[in-house]
Amino acid sequence: QKEVEQNSGPLSVPEGAIASLNCTYSDRGSQSFFWYRQYSGKSPELIMSIYSNGDKEDGRFTAQLNKASQYVSLLIRDSQPSDSATYLCAVIRANSKLTFGKGITLSVRP
Amino acid sequence: DGGITQSPKYLFRKEGQNVTLSCEQNLNHDAMYWYRQDPGQGLRLIYYSQIVNDFQKGDIAEGYSVSREKKESFPLTVTSAQKNPTAFYLCASRDRGHLSYNSPLHFGNGTRLTVT
Repeated sequence: QKEVEQNSGPLSVPEGAIASLNCTYSDRGSQSFFWYRQYSGKSPELIMSIYSNGDKEDGRFTAQLNKASQYVSLLIRDSQPSDSATYLCAVIRANSKLTFGKGITLSVRP
Repeated sequence: DGGITQSPKYLFRKEGQNVTLSCEQNLNHDAMYWYRQDPGQGLRLIYYSQIVNDFQKGDIAEGYSVSREKKESFPLTVTSAQKNPTAFYLCASRDRGHLSYNSPLHFGNGTRLTVT
């Protein structure tokens, strides 16, 4: 089982819709979880971080964490064409090893 | 401005040559990381360092070497033993202070290495 897995893409949604991105992880000792956005040819930029079970909202973005089921998700409400990018899930373990999933490419259709 | 500087942005080398990628940060972060990204792929961890003079192998360390002689610097050498060195290389750092597990990675702009 891979350390961090993201649901296969690409994902295409119409403008204004909700985009749902999912991620599962294998190490129950994982402490913190991050979502990064990466535009083509650029370095990743932090979107959300979450450490406790439940939901965390920041503007149009909501991160959800369920440690019992070992998954973390990112919801993007009112999706905009500018949200079209690759979204990377990252998980940090107690030894500071920070592992990324393969990413999912989101396309928002105008 | 605080940040992470990777240089050069583009690097071209002949097969069989070692090449060193530079990474400098002025964020006063203890931990630094090197990742490799291939087209359409996520980031794969090469090496990481939590303090000066100490570093750990990541998931794909073979064919790479690092040093951490100064807190600000974490250079990566791609050796001739690395079979497929052409990739986008990203350096990152994070804080390891109180509640450090909350600290995200801050990335440099990357170096695109092409080996022919």
